[in-house]
Amino acid sequence: QVQLVESGGGEVQPGRSLRLSCAASGFKFRNAGMHWLRQAPGKGLEWVAIIFYDGSNKYYTDSVKGRFTISRDDSKNTLYLQMDSLRDEDTAVYYCARSSPWVIPDYWGQGTLVTVSS
Amino acid sequence: DVVMTQSPLSLPVTLGQPASISCRSSQSLVYSDGNTYLNWFQQRPGQSPRRLIYKVSNRDSGVPDRFSGSGSGTDFTLKISRVEAEDVGLYYCMQTTHWPLTFGGGTQVEIK
Repeated sequence: QVQLVESGGGEVQPGRSLRLSCAASGFKFRNAGMHWLRQAPGKGLEWVAIIFYDGSNKYYTDSVKGRFTISRDDSKNTLYLQMDSLRDEDTAVYYCARSSPWVIPDYWGQGTLVTVSS
Repeated sequence: DVVMTQSPLSLPVTLGQPASISCRSSQSLVYSDGNTYLNWFQQRPGQSPRRLIYKVSNRDSGVPDRFSGSGSGTDFTLKISRVEAEDVGLYYCMQTTHWPLTFGGGTQVEIK
């Protein structure tokens, strides 16, 4: 069965960096696009970024462009999100999700909490 | 960006009664291939989101048939034919036609 396990969250000061990881199993990772999405405390869902199956295309929501970088290591079945210049408003639970065809997220991980605070 | 507007924000429903959630987009969600990429997710309390419906009306595997999706263009609806206790939670529409991908603000389904 599809499993996605996020890690790397924690508390960090504004302006600092953090790297999230998402370990995937139960499917052919190298054949799947992958998303990062987030949910601020008590708020709705927000899509953050996607990387296509072959890494050829990456898209980001405007608020993270130039600060966040999505990447993948198919040899480790792992997705990453490098988050630089973090801001208070980046505080959220971050989810990774597999992209089914047509870039629609299907399976989601359990999430990892990132808190940006001084 | 495409703005997704859901209504109502909160939906109290009696067990066994139907429920309906509306989702409207600020522009057409019909893609150049002719498909409409409007999707619905359920988030039960304390859980990760789960996809229910993709491309307007396609139910995911394991999703009860009391859930159905419909609509076209900019106007979409998620219906629950008979609400059960396990349906309590937040429901989100999401468009995957245009970049960036965007969600509606969510609808809270609760039992009266």
